[in-house]
Amino acid sequence: QQQVKQSPQSLIVQKGGIPIINCAYENTAFDYFPWYQQFPGKGPALLIAIRPDVSEKKEGRFTISFNKSAKQFSLHIMDSQPGDSATYFCAAKKYSSASKIIFGSGTRLSIRP
Amino acid sequence: DAGVIQSPRHEVTEMGQEVTLRCKPISGHDYLFWYRQTMMRGLELLIYFNNNVPIDDSGMPEDRFSAKMPNASFSTLKIQPSEPRDSAVYFCASSFGQAGGYTFGSGTRLTVV
Repeated sequence: QQQVKQSPQSLIVQKGGIPIINCAYENTAFDYFPWYQQFPGKGPALLIAIRPDVSEKKEGRFTISFNKSAKQFSLHIMDSQPGDSATYFCAAKKYSSASKIIFGSGTRLSIRP
Repeated sequence: DAGVIQSPRHEVTEMGQEVTLRCKPISGHDYLFWYRQTMMRGLELLIYFNNNVPIDDSGMPEDRFSAKMPNASFSTLKIQPSEPRDSAVYFCASSFGQAGGYTFGSGTRLTVV
């Protein structure tokens, strides 16, 4: 019940395409869903996050779509650029709780010029 | 703000030696987390502290691992004795309060030969 399942494991997209990374969770107590971006040699960095009171959140070219009934959420990157090439982690936790963040297994994204 | 600072960035040690990894969280943050990242297991939470007190150490792999937080601005993760299977990137992260995401450091790449 604590798992967050992420797919695909890796993804290659041409510049300008829209990569989509999907995640699913089981624990209905989760109410905070962040995405982290990690470049080689760096720690994960918070990219964008969503609470379940909305079905979509946009920040620049990054969009999270959230389906509460299906317990699924996804990250879309509009007009993807080679600089977006990184590993992306979805995660989940109970927002106002000391509970730990549960991370997905990660998606290695490569944007080809 | 300098962010979460970890040292050393790289550590190569021989099997059986003691290894100490260090972390300085962001000033004012009251939660500190130690993670380990490997290709096989992804991001694993080892232990986390709240106000310098260990809250959950269920992720610490075995008694060879120990962590301390003597004050709000410093934490250590010690492995004694180290083994080749401990080779990984170790991340420290901190947060303010129970809500929201974490800020990660750049990590320590540990290689045990």
